Amino acid sequence: AIRMTQSPSSFSASTGDRVTITCRASQGISSYLAWYQQKPGKAPKLLIYAASTLQSGVPSRFSGSGSGTDFTLTISCLQSEDFATYYCQQYYSYPPITFGPGTKVDIK
Amino acid sequence: EVQLVESGGGLVQPGGSLRLSCAASGFTVSSNYMSWVRQAPGKGLEWVSVIYSGGSTYYADSVKGRFTISRDNSKNTLYLQMNSLRAEDTAVYYCARDSITMVRGTHRYFDYWGQGTLVTVSS
Repeated sequence: AIRMTQSPSSFSASTGDRVTITCRASQGISSYLAWYQQKPGKAPKLLIYAASTLQSGVPSRFSGSGSGTDFTLTISCLQSEDFATYYCQQYYSYPPITFGPGTKVDIK
Repeated sequence: EVQLVESGGGLVQPGGSLRLSCAASGFTVSSNYMSWVRQAPGKGLEWVSVIYSGGSTYYADSVKGRFTISRDNSKNTLYLQMNSLRAEDTAVYYCARDSITMVRGTHRYFDYWGQGTLVTVSS
């Protein structure tokens, strides 16, 4: 199975900050990567698929990039509603589909 | 409007069984890939099982031989039969629509999720 890692595991940021989360795959996965946002007690929400395609309805301050093994999720101007945990997920080789361990973004 | 509503979670003893249901509305379960994803308390997301539109099924190694995914087309409902439950199966179980887009490759992603149902395995 392809192993996904994320960095950092957590960090604090302020509203208005530009933040970047990194996801790395244990082998090349082309652009077969999705990003999800999860708030406490809620189901995950799809943000991005195909590494950089924004899901309908997701604000444009979210963007994704990368290919192969290294990917990033960027939030250009952090809003209060963006404090959450973010997961990457590969679907290049399945089953199993695998998720990263998550990155928690909290308020500084 | 697409909606997924899970039910069937609860407290069960180790070795016991439970069947989860996921009632769908706004789309046809049998025309889509459908997955179960779980999340242990305070932990990350773990894919559990998928049923393809053609009926093929796949499982994570951690549940293979113990869990069975199925669907009832007449009820537009997805199921997860869980047998021989272990403490490590304790988690919130989500059903999710496993969508596919074929643009520059075949891209799969979970675009709709249920609210989750908690399964607790404990004596």
